[in-house]
Amino acid sequence: EDQVTQSPEALRLQEGESSSLNCSYTVSGLRGLFWYRQDPGKGPEFLFTLYSAGEEKEKERLKATLTKKESFLHITAPKPEDSATYLCAAPTGNKLTFGGGTRVLVKP
Amino acid sequence: KAGVTQTPRYLIKTRGQQVTLSCSPISGHRSVSWYQQTPGQGLQFLFEYFSETQRNKGNFPGRFSGRQFSNSRSEMNVSTLELGDSALYLCASSLSVGGAYNEQFFGPGTRLTVL
Repeated sequence: EDQVTQSPEALRLQEGESSSLNCSYTVSGLRGLFWYRQDPGKGPEFLFTLYSAGEEKEKERLKATLTKKESFLHITAPKPEDSATYLCAAPTGNKLTFGGGTRVLVKP
Repeated sequence: KAGVTQTPRYLIKTRGQQVTLSCSPISGHRSVSWYQQTPGQGLQFLFEYFSETQRNKGNFPGRFSGRQFSNSRSEMNVSTLELGDSALYLCASSLSVGGAYNEQFFGPGTRLTVL
């Protein structure tokens, strides 16, 4: 069965303390791995799409990487405004399957 | 340009009632997908509409239905509401069919509470 699993469920960081979020997937014939950010009371906001192992994409303090089994979202020197839930997702059949998300709290 | 809008933002209903939620996609986007988000199950795909036709469907009972109009606006309907239908309902739009494979733009959601 196609699955997308994220860890940890929650992450508390001090401002400036870099860390990584994990998204592991068991999807045959992966056709894209998506990362979204969701703030409380809002819908998810698109961050990145990765298509092949070894691919990396960056946006401000965020960098997403992809291997054949996992994707990582690295947050470098996070700021309080990076606090959010980060979701990864992959197409399974004709639907997008999301992981459970990682809630990130960055304290000043 | 204006983002995806959803109305209403909050809704309280009782068991057995039915509800209709509305979504207006970004101008020029023809695909609208609907998702249900709950603390226990996370974000789950309901269905996708493109050119007024349902193109893809998730694993939800027939009480969940939708439609799309010629201007790409979409509605979803839930009949015979159950307590477990309490959730945040999100719609997302994308330029082309196959929203699962494209960047999607999400609205703020409609928070449905069933009492």
